[in-house]
Amino acid sequence: KNEVEQSPQNLTAQEGEFITINCSYSVGISALHWLQQHPGGGIVSLFMLSSGKKKHGRLIATINIQEKHSSLHITASHPRDSAVYICAVRRSSGGSGGSYIPTFGRGTSLIVHP
Amino acid sequence: GAGVSQSPSNKVTEKGKDVELRCDPISGHTALYWYRQRLGQGLEFLIYFQGNSAPDKSGLPSDRFSAERTGESVSTLTIQRTQQEDSAVYLCASSYVSGSPYEQYFGPGTRLTVT
Repeated sequence: KNEVEQSPQNLTAQEGEFITINCSYSVGISALHWLQQHPGGGIVSLFMLSSGKKKHGRLIATINIQEKHSSLHITASHPRDSAVYICAVRRSSGGSGGSYIPTFGRGTSLIVHP
Repeated sequence: GAGVSQSPSNKVTEKGKDVELRCDPISGHTALYWYRQRLGQGLEFLIYFQGNSAPDKSGLPSDRFSAERTGESVSTLTIQRTQQEDSAVYLCASSYVSGSPYEQYFGPGTRLTVT
């Protein structure tokens, strides 16, 4: 079983819909990242969080450390949001900083139709 | 400013040949990562460089894979005697490690096809 599991694997939505992508992990972490991989392959970091909630434009990321679960929400989705969304965790390994090597989920492929 | 750049963007090579992939990190970023992404798969860690410390090579899949980095500048990933299973997108990322948590900036990747 992968240490980082994402669901769903594939997601299709109509423009304007509210979208939720889930990430569950089985190890102790120091931080969790949400990344976006565009159809051309480029990857950008959306959020890095270790507790609570962060918001950037139409994107919201939440994390529940006790439940080892994070969600990425997209409000008022748009075709340009079509991409693969990747969850990555940094293990906590004691001391400061935690592990520097992230563990990645397999990604959620989102297609938003106009 | 300039982001992480990688070259070549695409590489087609014959099985058995050696290939060299290049990564130029963001200036000032002390940490550099190489990842591999096979078709339909997640990102797979290969190797990590941090400043002048010994690299973490724990993700390299075989001794055909090696990487070098001079100081905090360019890195090259070399695959010797390429095999078809080496076909993948090879991604480089850099970060400024100033504590925890820290963020990685990804390059566009090199798509390697071994025929």
